[in-house]
Amino acid sequence: DAGVTQSPTHLIKTRGQQVTLRCSPISGHKSVSWYQQVLGQGPQFIFQYYEKEERGRGNFPDRFSARQFPNYSSELNVNALLLGDSALYLCASSPRGAGGAGITEAFFGQGTRLTVV
Amino acid sequence: DAKTTQPTSMDCAEGRAANLPCNHSTISGNEYVYWYRQIHSQGPQYIIHGLKNNETNEMASLIITEDRKSSTLILPHATLRDTAVYYCIVRALTNAGGTSYGKLTFGQGTILTVHP
Repeated sequence: DAGVTQSPTHLIKTRGQQVTLRCSPISGHKSVSWYQQVLGQGPQFIFQYYEKEERGRGNFPDRFSARQFPNYSSELNVNALLLGDSALYLCASSPRGAGGAGITEAFFGQGTRLTVV
Repeated sequence: DAKTTQPTSMDCAEGRAANLPCNHSTISGNEYVYWYRQIHSQGPQYIIHGLKNNETNEMASLIITEDRKSSTLILPHATLRDTAVYYCIVRALTNAGGTSYGKLTFGQGTILTVHP
């Protein structure tokens, strides 16, 4: 089975530009989350989507937005890029727990390495 | 979500057991303990999670103290490929609508180095 796939794997953008990152979850997973990982730090939560609705948002500016499509894939958009947006952007998909329980473990993709110059 | 405290780094000899501690003294009754690891330049990998009972899977064992204020991840026979950053995370499995729904709060983790 294919894991979480993200595209592109690497990206270089100029300050002020906009970028769109894409994520395909594991088949059958309806929840997708996005994380930003700056060099030397742990991943930081940006968004979570479940059944195409936003279910959680981290402490990120409005320049960051996301959406989830009917096939449960997701896009993360970042506008007006800053040098500080350079990071590894990780997507994670999760199944729902048995018996309607909450989200259980998250499975991460390999990430998109964004460099802003 | 409750905060966790982990040692910054640990060493382990190949073939020996690696025991990674985690303190989560403010954990709530509905919060689970999760462990992930991240090998250099890869996405985090799920290892194991538990609520109050000890858990074991093909990768590791998780020992949670009776008061649930700390836990230990055990890699029974560490290999060089186990060298990674290990993250201990506590979180609740809230229902839809909660801001912690599905969210993982990563700290700095423990850098485990397995040497020959």
